[in-house]
Amino acid sequence: QVQLQESGPGLVKPSETLSLTCTVSDGFIRSYYWNWVRQPPGKGLEWIGYMYYSGRPNYNPSLKGRVTISVDTSKSQFSLKMSSVTAADTAIYYCARERGSSPEGGMDVWGQGTTVTVSS
Amino acid sequence: QSVVTQPPSASGTPGQTVTISCSGSNSDIGSNFVFWYQQLPGTAPKLLIYRNTQRPSGVPDRFSGSKSGTSASLAISGLRSEDEADYYCATWDDSLSGPDVVFGGGTKLTVL
Repeated sequence: QVQLQESGPGLVKPSETLSLTCTVSDGFIRSYYWNWVRQPPGKGLEWIGYMYYSGRPNYNPSLKGRVTISVDTSKSQFSLKMSSVTAADTAIYYCARERGSSPEGGMDVWGQGTTVTVSS
Repeated sequence: QSVVTQPPSASGTPGQTVTISCSGSNSDIGSNFVFWYQQLPGTAPKLLIYRNTQRPSGVPDRFSGSKSGTSASLAISGLRSEDEADYYCATWDDSLSGPDVVFGGGTKLTVL
């Protein structure tokens, strides 16, 4: 059973760049679409964006301009960078796999989530 | 961006059937698949229903999804205490830059 593991700093200073990585345990990173989703404390889920290894990423319009998602097939990892962070970006960040080989399969495998706090 | 609406809370007693609604518009639910996720306290979300009505392997048939027009519903029959969780619907929004994934605000289900 494939597992996803998020990694990255748990504390980021305001105005700096948040960087997270998700490692795909079974190596099949070329076979699926990959998502980032976040959840602010006590709030609901917010989609950040998705990417296929060979395609152009798609981002939440409300975050566009600050977000970059990339895939490193050699390491079976995909990454999230979010620039100019503020306290509003404090959240649990999840990586998730899209079921099947299309972006409309549903997110069937999730990482455990990593908490990122934006504070000086 | 699109707004997909869910009731903030729902409740039921063990054995009952509870239905959670998800309301959108022509550009999101009306023209795209709907997905449902269950999030137990302190855990990552879990895919419960995909493509409106389909259950992933391992999801009990007590959970069922439906869609009509610009609305969708999740029904949970034979309610159990372990069903107490947050439930989110999700769909796609056919924006100019999209399609973009949109989550509903979530419904907290309490088993009384």
